[in-house]
Amino acid sequence: DVQMTQSPSSVSASVGDTVTITCRSSLPINDFLNWYQHKPGKPPKVLIYGASKLHSGVPSRFSGTKSGTKFTLTITRLQREDFATYFCQQAFSISRSFGPGTKVEI
Amino acid sequence: ERQLVESGGGLVRPGGSLRLSCEASGFRITNDWMNWVRQSPGKGLEWVGRIKSENEGGTVDYAAPVKGRFIISRDDSKNMVYLQMTSLQADDTAVYFCVRDEWYDDQYYSMDVWGHGTTVTVSS
Repeated sequence: DVQMTQSPSSVSASVGDTVTITCRSSLPINDFLNWYQHKPGKPPKVLIYGASKLHSGVPSRFSGTKSGTKFTLTITRLQREDFATYFCQQAFSISRSFGPGTKVEI
Repeated sequence: ERQLVESGGGLVRPGGSLRLSCEASGFRITNDWMNWVRQSPGKGLEWVGRIKSENEGGTVDYAAPVKGRFIISRDDSKNMVYLQMTSLQADDTAVYFCVRDEWYDDQYYSMDVWGHGTTVTVSS
């Protein structure tokens, strides 16, 4: 099974900052990696699919990159509504797996 | 608006059974792959299983911890997905989410519509 790790587990930031979150897969997964945003009491929301492709309606301040088995989500010009938990999900194997999440807080 | 609403959660004793339901509204699930995902208290998300659309065979795949104990089914005429859980254990205590896959270019997918979840507690 593909295991996903994420770092950091939490990050403190301010409005206007740039935040970078890293996700690593235990095996090569090509670019089959999705990023989600999750706020308390709400369902998760897709941000990026295919490692770098922006889901419809997602602001361009969100971006994703891939380097080998390392995947990065970058949020530039952090807005107040971006404070949430972010997690990755590998879409390579039948048995899907998620990263543990990164909480972006003030 | 596309929505998924789960129901059927509750308190069940170890070894017991429970059936969760997921009703879709705002869209038809006929051509969709549907999933169940769970989140245990204080833990991350764990994929439970997925059922393909009927026109793709309705194939079901499960995560190892639930294989042989859980069954996912669908009734497209009712726009519903189900999760039958048997031989429940304390480790199955979690919030269970129903989730739809969205496909892009027949190559990539994301889990794009999530319900709010229903809570299952396994305890004596």
